[in-house]
Amino acid sequence: DGGITQSPKYLFRKEGQNVTLSCEQNLNHDAMYWYRQDPGQGLRLIYYSQIVNDFQKGDIAEGYSVSREKKESFPLTVTSAQKNPTAFYLCASSIDRAPQPQHFGDGTRLSIL
Amino acid sequence: GQSLEQPSEVTAVEGAIVQINCTYQTSGFYGLSWYQQHDGGAPTFLSYNALDGLEETGRFSSFLSRSDSYGYLLLQELQMKDSASYFCAVSGYSTLTFGKGTMLLVSP
Repeated sequence: DGGITQSPKYLFRKEGQNVTLSCEQNLNHDAMYWYRQDPGQGLRLIYYSQIVNDFQKGDIAEGYSVSREKKESFPLTVTSAQKNPTAFYLCASSIDRAPQPQHFGDGTRLSIL
Repeated sequence: GQSLEQPSEVTAVEGAIVQINCTYQTSGFYGLSWYQQHDGGAPTFLSYNALDGLEETGRFSSFLSRSDSYGYLLLQELQMKDSASYFCAVSGYSTLTFGKGTMLLVSP
């Protein structure tokens, strides 16, 4: 079955540490997205990519970085510059450059140790 | 910028009909989407309206009025499994902007 796989499901970060969240899709979708969700809040866009080797900042890109070396993969790095990283991170994809409908992974929950 | 307003919580009983409203202010509007998210889970796509009017998909319907910058999601014959958060999202050329979500609580 096609879908989006995010790993790990839970992740703990120490102060000053960078961590990388994995997102892989086998839907052959062109576009991929990273969102952050805080309790009781909507989804806020961190980064998105419409094509391999190209990506754009979303609304809250500071303290995050991404790469898109393969169509299937869009990893997100939460850097030490992100001072409040505790959140639920969701990866999504859409079939082409139109941003909907989006298919989501099951998310990674990141906490600070 | 873009902003969306939707109620934070709605309650209803099984078998009832509930309407979740969404108003938006945006530039570069292409359409309005609705997503469902069960607690701690992945959001799933429900519907998309690019044009004015009502779109029906089974028990769920979605409506859009572009002139009023307003849309709603209508859920009929409510079931317990419909208890979830519902997000409206404005579709721009490349990205979606999500509202803060409406938590729907369905009671027996």
